[in-house]
Amino acid sequence: DTGVSQNPRHKITKRGQNVTFRCDPISEHNRLYWYRQTLGQGPEFLTYFQNEAQLEKSRLLSDRFSAERPKGSFSTLEIQRTEQGDSAMYLCASSLGQGSYEQYFGPGTRLTVT
Amino acid sequence: AQTVTQSQPEMSVQEAETVTLSCTYDTSESDYYLFWYKQPPSRQMILVIRQEAYKQQNATENRFSVNFQKAAKSFSLKISDSQLGDAAMYFCAYSLSGNLNAGNMLTFGGGTRLMVKP
Repeated sequence: DTGVSQNPRHKITKRGQNVTFRCDPISEHNRLYWYRQTLGQGPEFLTYFQNEAQLEKSRLLSDRFSAERPKGSFSTLEIQRTEQGDSAMYLCASSLGQGSYEQYFGPGTRLTVT
Repeated sequence: AQTVTQSQPEMSVQEAETVTLSCTYDTSESDYYLFWYKQPPSRQMILVIRQEAYKQQNATENRFSVNFQKAAKSFSLKISDSQLGDAAMYFCAYSLSGNLNAGNMLTFGGGTRLMVKP
């Protein structure tokens, strides 16, 4: 098992462009989480999936953000019409779910919006 | 809503010495988990230690131990025999306990940067 992977590791985009990030969780982990971490701060919860169902979304997740987890495996997070305030590290984590509380984090995707 | 506060933005410790990182939290729930995560520079976050709120005994993992004071809503991390590899950002985090419907999403504090001096 290679752990949680995220691609790309770094993304630089111009304001107004769309970007998409991918997260591959640990196999057989039912739950997948997205967090956002700005410089010098702790991560903040964005959304989570139980298998393919998106069960909760934070108020931080504006309508420019959309996340999917087709077939309950990998997940994508898309940001449309990026703004400079979207610049952050986007972290993905996975867990076995339902009573298993430990989340395993990926290395993150650092987004810079110029 | 639950909140987690880490009042020490930076801490410094001499190699082989002991350091304690502070964390307080606010919740109206009685059943929850508390965690300390370590985030080394440019590396992914890893779990250091966890504590279930219903357990009175403080958790210990090798050189890492916690002081959990439920009534005071305090959860500090003690690192003994500090090593150069302990240098990192440390985040205190909270989640509701697991049940079929709880998402167990984490609420993090702002972090404490630990520096270890050789």
